[in-house]
Amino acid sequence: DTAVSQTPKYLVTQMGNDKSIKCEQNLGHDTMYWYKQDSKKFLKIMFSYNNKELIINETVPNRFSPKSPDKAHLNLHINSLELGDSAVYFCASSQVETSGGYTDTQYFGPGTRLTVL
Amino acid sequence: DAKTTQPNSMESNEEEPVHLPCNHSTISGTDYIHWYRQLPSQGPEYVIHGLTSNVNNRMASLAIAEDRKSSTLILHRATLRDAAVYYCIPRGWGNFGNEKLTFGTGTRLTIIP
Repeated sequence: DTAVSQTPKYLVTQMGNDKSIKCEQNLGHDTMYWYKQDSKKFLKIMFSYNNKELIINETVPNRFSPKSPDKAHLNLHINSLELGDSAVYFCASSQVETSGGYTDTQYFGPGTRLTVL
Repeated sequence: DAKTTQPNSMESNEEEPVHLPCNHSTISGTDYIHWYRQLPSQGPEYVIHGLTSNVNNRMASLAIAEDRKSSTLILHRATLRDAAVYYCIPRGWGNFGNEKLTFGTGTRLTIIP
């Protein structure tokens, strides 16, 4: 079974359209994330949710709206798509580990390649 | 977040050990040192993490300098499947508000058959 899954894998759309990317994790984790990897392969955090509550919002335009219906899902909706939104979007999840310290391990999905024409 | 310095690229022969260095001289005393890698066309993958002591797992070993200003990821016997970009990431912690991973440019590891 896939631990973190994303749909769709590829998304090609026109400028100005609205699209959504879905993410599901079956690991029972409390925290989920969206990362963006641009054309230069630079990976950057966008959002983080913990127990369905928004924890991190890294100065992402308002056109991006994450939604977490439950702990296992974190979807990303993008309004009025622009050329600069073309990138690979990765979903991830993690759970705090308190044995031997206080940190976490993040598990990433396979990515969604968004192309805006 | 602590700044990291890694070589842009490294090459290694298949079935030989690989030592991937990382400098993190501004690391704070409570930051863990995490390593992730990204294989071609895949999402990042956790490799290993440590705080002060050297760490081993089935994928790799992590050697942390005594002053914690640098660390080295060791792949004991590189295979073609280990060709990836390797990221060294010092991570702070803060009340469920700072668990993000801050990726740098990483080291692109090429394995020569």
